[in-house]
Amino acid sequence: DVKVTQSSRYLVKRTGEKVFLECVQDMDHENMFWYRQDPGLGLRLIYFSYDVKMKEKGDIPEGYSVSREKKERFSLILESASTNQTSMYLCASSSGQGEGGNTIYFGEGSWLTVV
Amino acid sequence: GNSVTQMEGPVTLSEEAFLTINCTYTATGYPSLFWYVQYPGEGLQLLLKATKADDKGSNKGFEATYRKETTSFHLEKGSVQVSDSAVYFCALSDRGFGNEKLTFGTGTRLTIIP
Repeated sequence: DVKVTQSSRYLVKRTGEKVFLECVQDMDHENMFWYRQDPGLGLRLIYFSYDVKMKEKGDIPEGYSVSREKKERFSLILESASTNQTSMYLCASSSGQGEGGNTIYFGEGSWLTVV
Repeated sequence: GNSVTQMEGPVTLSEEAFLTINCTYTATGYPSLFWYVQYPGEGLQLLLKATKADDKGSNKGFEATYRKETTSFHLEKGSVQVSDSAVYFCALSDRGFGNEKLTFGTGTRLTIIP
């Protein structure tokens, strides 16, 4: 089974802090994604990556950056956390190849509260 | 651009009732369609998918048929159980390199009462 692991399930950070959310997948997938989930808004794509050291902005990249130094790891960075970034963050991956290549697998989510 | 519109919730049903959650989409190409389920406190799990018109995805008693003519992918189950209580998301993914990212609906919260 595909496993996408997010390092922290629950975090509480102060306004202005730099926050790192880490994600690791164990299936050698090419593609990795960061979404945030908010009530009534569904899931919105923040950033995605198709390869190591490659990144592209999603629908709501403002206030975030990402890093992909190794294929299996994709980090989301909040340079200066703000209260409107309180949310659930979901990491995901997909192989991008073959018939089922666009099936995306999710981690369990990281609940971030910014106070 | 791509978009997904799904039935607003919350939906509350009695056990063994018939379930339909509507989903329609707008896409420029020929997308793949998905239903994901999120149980309380967890991430999203793939429930079923269909990759081309008239395909039927099925899993755990749930079914959805890819209807190109009505641009729909409605989720159905004949007899729901309490354990089906969750949030359900409809999503689409365009094909082709660089287009694998998903576009989601806003989710439908389903509660099944005994």
